[in-house]
Amino acid sequence: DVKVTQSSRYLVKRTGEKVFLECVQDMDHENMFWYRQDPGLGLRLIYFSYDVKMKEKGDIPEGYSVSREKKERFSLILESASTNQTSMYLCASTQGTGYEQYFGPGTRLTVT
Amino acid sequence: GQNIDQPTEMTATEGAIVQINCTYQTSGFNGLFWYQQHAGEAPTFLSYNVLDGLEEKGRFSSFLSRSKGYSYLLLKELQMKDSASYLCAVRDWVQGGKLIFGQGTELSVKP
Repeated sequence: DVKVTQSSRYLVKRTGEKVFLECVQDMDHENMFWYRQDPGLGLRLIYFSYDVKMKEKGDIPEGYSVSREKKERFSLILESASTNQTSMYLCASTQGTGYEQYFGPGTRLTVT
Repeated sequence: GQNIDQPTEMTATEGAIVQINCTYQTSGFNGLFWYQQHAGEAPTFLSYNVLDGLEEKGRFSSFLSRSKGYSYLLLKELQMKDSASYLCAVRDWVQGGKLIFGQGTELSVKP
């Protein structure tokens, strides 16, 4: 079974802090994604990566950056957390564009 | 542009059949996915349609009409555990193969 893990289920940070969200997948997938999910807005793509060292902006990249130094690990970085970044963050991976995405359990981030 | 519409909420009775519709407008359609998401959990894959027609998988079936920009997810013999949010997502090759998600349909199954 594909396993996608995220570093924390729940996280509380203060405004202005730098926040790291880690995602690891164990199936040698090329493609990895970061989404945020908010009530009434659905899943929105923040960043994605098709290969190591490679990153592409999604629909809402502002205020975020990413890092993919190893194939299995994709990190989401909030350089200076703000209250409007309070959300559920979901990581996903897939072996290719013709295949389904597998999601991690999510990190519920609260910025106070 | 892209737009995906699905009903916000639906209610059905245990043992019944329910159909969740999804309509979409995309620049370069290249497949449609259905996911199930229980409250507080990650979405899990249910089905994938890229050609017109019906795909059946146990109690769940998914239908696609590309000419109409329309899909539905059919759930038969509803069980209480089917209470969840159902997400329709379209892959758009013009957008680099990204998945574009609808807002999800919250299904409540009543006894």
